[in-house]
Amino acid sequence: DQQVKQNSPSLSVQEGRISILNCDYTNSMFDYFLWYKKYPAEGPTFLISISSIKDKNEDGRFTVFLNKSAKHLSLHIVPSQPGDSAVYFCAASVYGSARQLTFGSGTQLTVLP
Amino acid sequence: GAGVSQSPSNKVTEKGKDVELRCDPISGHTALYWYRQSLGQGLEFLIYFQGNSAPDKSGLPSDRFSAERTGGSVSTLTIQRTQQEDSAVYLCASSLGGDLKTQYFGPGTRLLVL
Repeated sequence: DQQVKQNSPSLSVQEGRISILNCDYTNSMFDYFLWYKKYPAEGPTFLISISSIKDKNEDGRFTVFLNKSAKHLSLHIVPSQPGDSAVYFCAASVYGSARQLTFGSGTQLTVLP
Repeated sequence: GAGVSQSPSNKVTEKGKDVELRCDPISGHTALYWYRQSLGQGLEFLIYFQGNSAPDKSGLPSDRFSAERTGGSVSTLTIQRTQQEDSAVYLCASSLGGDLKTQYFGPGTRLLVL
């Protein structure tokens, strides 16, 4: 039973356009959400996070939106750059605890020059 | 180096053999985590060490899996009597306390059990 789902295994976007990566979750106890970026042969790196008390968090070109009623979060990257090409994982946690950190299966983003 | 390192980077073993995977966390990070990622799946939590507290082993899939952390630094994940379903990428991460935003991952060990 996957509690965190990323239903799109891949996404291609033209350079300069917006990339939207989606993530759905089922556990209503999740209250902290994170996005990670992973390049080949490297471990995931933390990108941006959001607490359940917010519905939006922005950091430069990256914005995460949280819709608690729909149990849905999304990561927007604008403008997209070729260096953004990587696998993006969303993750969810209970009480911000790493012990309860649950990851999605990832979306491969390819930004075309 | 300044990051989390893991060894070996790749390991091929025969079913039934024991394997040891090593993790060197970032110096000063008190928390250390092990995850695994099977093909097509997200990262799965295995075990968590925090300082001198008893580790949280709630994610270990069976008693064939064990981990230790010596001197609050290096950690070893041991899988006994490996099975084909143990094939996965095993990732280690460390962080300052339990702050997930300071969590850094190693490059992983790709384990293949034949």
